[in-house]
Amino acid sequence: IAGITQAPTSQILAAGRRMTLRCTQDMRHNAMYWYRQDLGLGLRLIHYSNTAGTTGKGEVPDGYSVSRANTDDFPLTLASAVPSQTSVYFCASSDRGDTGELFFGEGSRLTVL
Amino acid sequence: GQNIDQPTEMTATEGAIVQINCTYQTSGFNGLFWYQQHAGEAPTFLSYNVLDGLEEKGRFSSFLSRSKGYSYLLLKELQMKDSASYLCAVRESNYQLIWGAGTKLIIKP
Repeated sequence: IAGITQAPTSQILAAGRRMTLRCTQDMRHNAMYWYRQDLGLGLRLIHYSNTAGTTGKGEVPDGYSVSRANTDDFPLTLASAVPSQTSVYFCASSDRGDTGELFFGEGSRLTVL
Repeated sequence: GQNIDQPTEMTATEGAIVQINCTYQTSGFNGLFWYQQHAGEAPTFLSYNVLDGLEEKGRFSSFLSRSKGYSYLLLKELQMKDSASYLCAVRESNYQLIWGAGTKLIIKP
């Protein structure tokens, strides 16, 4: 693979269930991010990691957790899903050098019923 | 507070020129990005401005005025494939990005 991969691409989930969205990158980028995108709103940062072993809270962290055990993987977990977490989730990475542009995964569309 | 404003939707004609504006108020400034996002796809990087002035890249150009908190994306010789949403994002001093809601650009033949 080349780039950043997310799984699953789409999921329907019952409220109260636990769900983990997976994200893997092979670009050796230090920084990784999880965003949610909702209609009419800009991308909102959920959690981020500047380097393996560290994580931080973004704008909308409640109900979500992340881990960064190594450089490549950055899973996002919903401990007990609620309907307001229905959204499209994007994982992204950057190397923080030059422009520090973000590279995005293809997105995970999550529906919580 | 932090705020990024851009028009919700714009319509333009194939072959024409369109300018998408972005105004911002943020806590510090460390660069402004434009991304393109086709429906159902991930955003992809278009341009980056950190100094005032115009950056040209093929049919696309991006302008920045830091004193006015203003940027625009200029698309020339519009093609049908340019139909997409265009996202403006400002990187703050803490390296976090603040995103606008995006401008949906509709290209008509």
